[in-house]
Amino acid sequence: DTAVSQTPKYLVTQMGNDKSIKCEQNLGHDTMYWYKQDSKKFLKIMFSYNNKELIINETVPNRFSPKSPDKAHLNLHINSLELGDSAVYFCASSQGAWGYYEQYFGPGTRLTVT
Amino acid sequence: QQQVKQSPQSLIVQKGGISIINCAYENTAFDYFPWYQQFPGKGPALLIAIRPDVSEKKEGRFTISFNKSAKQFSLHIMDSQPGDSATYFCAAALNEKLTFGTGTRLTIIP
Repeated sequence: DTAVSQTPKYLVTQMGNDKSIKCEQNLGHDTMYWYKQDSKKFLKIMFSYNNKELIINETVPNRFSPKSPDKAHLNLHINSLELGDSAVYFCASSQGAWGYYEQYFGPGTRLTVT
Repeated sequence: QQQVKQSPQSLIVQKGGISIINCAYENTAFDYFPWYQQFPGKGPALLIAIRPDVSEKKEGRFTISFNKSAKQFSLHIMDSQPGDSATYFCAAALNEKLTFGTGTRLTIIP
């Protein structure tokens, strides 16, 4: 059974489009995250939700909007896509919100903006 | 601002050798230091972690050495194997946030 799953795995789109990435975890965790990994492999937190409440909102353009319909799902919607948005986006989950909880990562969604 | 600096960026080690990856942090309030391992096409996965009140932690072939006064910590992989070839990230936690280092691409050659 996949613990943290993301769809789609690959996403190729043109500049200016709007796209969504979906994430689901079946671990019963309370906290979920979105990370961005750029071409140099740098991994940066974007958002985190604990029990559907936003607790981390890093300096991310307003074009990025996370939505957590329930504890098991955290989706990422991106408006007006730009070339610089090309990256691998990882969803993760953990049992609790504190940084010392192990984070379980999904397989990633490779977004390519042309 | 990069609060966790990691080196080297890439590392090639012969099979059976010791791989050493170093990290340095700036914020003394960090209270948890994990290492994550990432294979190509996969998400990172927790490898081993340490708290700042401990100077060393060992799990199998993997050891974290922690120097609180120097604000540095390192990952040692003993008897490195080709299956250890991956990208390794150190990280540091403060409250709800985990800050990752820039990653080290480790290649183990036969």
